[in-house]
Amino acid sequence: DIQMTQSPSTLSASIGDRVTITCRASQSISNWLAWYQQKPGKAPNLLIYKASNLESGVPSRFSGSGSGTEFTLTISSLQPDDFATYYCQQFNDYSRTFGQGTKVEIK
Amino acid sequence: QVQLVQSGAEVKKPGASVKVSCKASGYTFSSFYINWVRQAPGQGLEWMGIINPSGGSTWYAQKLQGRVTMTRETSTSTVYMELSSLTFEDTAVYYCARAAQLYDAFDTWGQGTRVTVSS
Repeated sequence: DIQMTQSPSTLSASIGDRVTITCRASQSISNWLAWYQQKPGKAPNLLIYKASNLESGVPSRFSGSGSGTEFTLTISSLQPDDFATYYCQQFNDYSRTFGQGTKVEIK
Repeated sequence: QVQLVQSGAEVKKPGASVKVSCKASGYTFSSFYINWVRQAPGQGLEWMGIINPSGGSTWYAQKLQGRVTMTRETSTSTVYMELSSLTFEDTAVYYCARAAQLYDAFDTWGQGTRVTVSS
C-alpha cells in the first residue's frame, strides 16, 4: 500500500497568516491526490482534487500544488473558519490511503 | 441538493454485526460510486471499500476482506455497509462518501454513523 505522510502534525497560526501543509507519498501517485478539511464532529469536506483543482464553492484562498510524491496545500490568508484538521488522500492505487492529518490551531 | 443521509447510531456487543445505511438524493443514484470510510475516536480516516450502484460491483480494503459487505437497493437509492465479527477496535464513526469514478476524490459525504462496540 502507498503510505501518505503529512507534516506538520499540528500547526499554530494567526488570522491572516499564510499556511502551508505538506503531504508526501511513499511512491509516485502522479496527480491523484485530494485534500479535505474536517471540523470536530463533522464529516470531511473536499477542498482540492487532482492535486491542484479547487472544488466548486471552496474559497480561492485555498490552493494545492505538486505531483509525483510531494504535494502542498496552501491557505493564502488564514480565516477564523479555517481552524480545522486537514487530510490528504491518494487515489492512485487500490488502498486510497489518507495522511494522518494536520491540525491547524489558533496561535 | 446532493445529499447522503445515514442511519442512526448503533451499540453492539463484540462478535455481533452492524448494518449501516446511506440514502442518496439529489442526483442519479447509478451514476456515482459510494465509498465507506471510518474514523476511530481521535484518529484519522480509513478507507473501507467502494460499491458501484450500477451493477453492484464491490471492492474492499484488504484489512476488512471477509468481514465487510456492501450492497445497494436501487429502488430506494440506498447503499448498505455490513460489518461482522465486531471487536472493540471497530468502534468508530462510519461515513459514506460519493465519487464520480472508481478512483476519484470524495465530493459529498454523509453525516456519519457512530458505531460503539461495548460489552
